[in-house]
Amino acid sequence: QSALTQPASVSASPGQSITISCTGTSSDVGGYNYVSWYQQHPGKAPKLMIYDVSDRPSGVSDRFSGSKSGNTASLTISGLQAEDEADYYCSSYTSSSTRVFGPGTKVTVL
Amino acid sequence: QGQLVQSGAEVKKPGASVTVSCKASGYTFTTYGISWVRQAPGQGLEWMGWIAAYNGHTDYAQKFQGRVTMSMDTSTSTAYMDLRSLRSDDTAVYYCARDGVWGWFDPWGQGTLVTVSP
Repeated sequence: QSALTQPASVSASPGQSITISCTGTSSDVGGYNYVSWYQQHPGKAPKLMIYDVSDRPSGVSDRFSGSKSGNTASLTISGLQAEDEADYYCSSYTSSSTRVFGPGTKVTVL
Repeated sequence: QGQLVQSGAEVKKPGASVTVSCKASGYTFTTYGISWVRQAPGQGLEWMGWIAAYNGHTDYAQKFQGRVTMSMDTSTSTAYMDLRSLRSDDTAVYYCARDGVWGWFDPWGQGTLVTVSP
């Protein structure tokens, strides 16, 4: 059972924007600016999309952005494209020096 | 950028142990850490633990305490994950990933399927 919560699924049409939430506690998401987001296509290894709440690695589209308010972090995908259909996971550093993942959100492009 | 290459698939019987290796290249191994993450069939990602490659310090998820050992060989830039007393619900793809000390994971290895079956 994940310590973080995410919606099970989100769907939208191409070109629209979606936001995926990731809620934790003051011991993880709320206590540190060390939230990251991963995209995973079926049968593939996860890919880092956002780190340190809102930083984007080189090569990741600027359609992906991250933010945080209190104990909830968010990933926004703007201008949704067919290739964005995937599972998305948030992760946070914790007060125990461990890391924890959310249960994942399935994004469907209608 | 870096690359992580993992050892091949394993089939084990319940009660046995498995060792998965993860060889790093393209970056200075001892600047970061290595986390291990597993994914059971059709399930989400589960963080198992990490090893700081600069000093060998480990932190394990409580669920795996006492059953997992993470180690490394800095001379070959290789990390290892040993899981003991295997059960059928340990059947999963096991990934290693470079850990940026504060918990971002990039890059990831290709994954190693461990199947536990009688």
